[in-house]
Amino acid sequence: SQQGEEDPQALSIQEGENATMNCSYKTSINNLQWYRQNSGRGLVHLILIRSNEREKHSGRLRVTLDTSKKSSSLLITASRAADTASYFCATGGYSGAGSYQLTFGKGTKLSVIP
Amino acid sequence: DAGVTQSPTHLIKTRGQHVTLRCSPISGHKSVSWYQQVLGQGPQFIFQYYEKEERGRGNFPDRFSARQFPNYSSELNVNALLLGDSALYLCASSLEGLASGEQFFGPGTRLTVL
Repeated sequence: SQQGEEDPQALSIQEGENATMNCSYKTSINNLQWYRQNSGRGLVHLILIRSNEREKHSGRLRVTLDTSKKSSSLLITASRAADTASYFCATGGYSGAGSYQLTFGKGTKLSVIP
Repeated sequence: DAGVTQSPTHLIKTRGQHVTLRCSPISGHKSVSWYQQVLGQGPQFIFQYYEKEERGRGNFPDRFSARQFPNYSSELNVNALLLGDSALYLCASSLEGLASGEQFFGPGTRLTVL
């Protein structure tokens, strides 16, 4: 089963608007990462936030992490048509068996309309 | 510098057959991880190899196995294929282990089991 759950499952906005995606998870984590995937191909790493960080910025991306609520949000400002993709959060942490795993959610499908 | 490469790009097999998927990490990366992504879902962790040793295993049956070679390339083997094994198989590499953070993904191998 997948630990992260993104919300919403799908999001459609106009170019220039901001897009916000949320991710919730269940167990303790070392870090949380956001990835983008275009058309079912390979994933591209966007940003990593460690469990002791609360907010991080990278270009038009802003990620927040609230470990008390076990949730994170990804904000894309001034969206462009090229931002159209699926976005996944992935939590890094140790499984019950003691091995380190990266666990992905089901993703948010973002459509930016020109 | 070349990114992560995977071969083949597409593969069609029938139930009961065996398949071998290959991955070459970014030069200098010592860790390779494998993921299965079923249509409409996020990637699910299968294996992680670091310095040619298995460092993590997801919740997959023993029909799935992998290995890492001295040049850090990797193979994923799946025996006795089932229809449910149809998916995009993604390989990711990183400089250090999974716990270090960012994973660099290849374009994936799309496996169809008939």
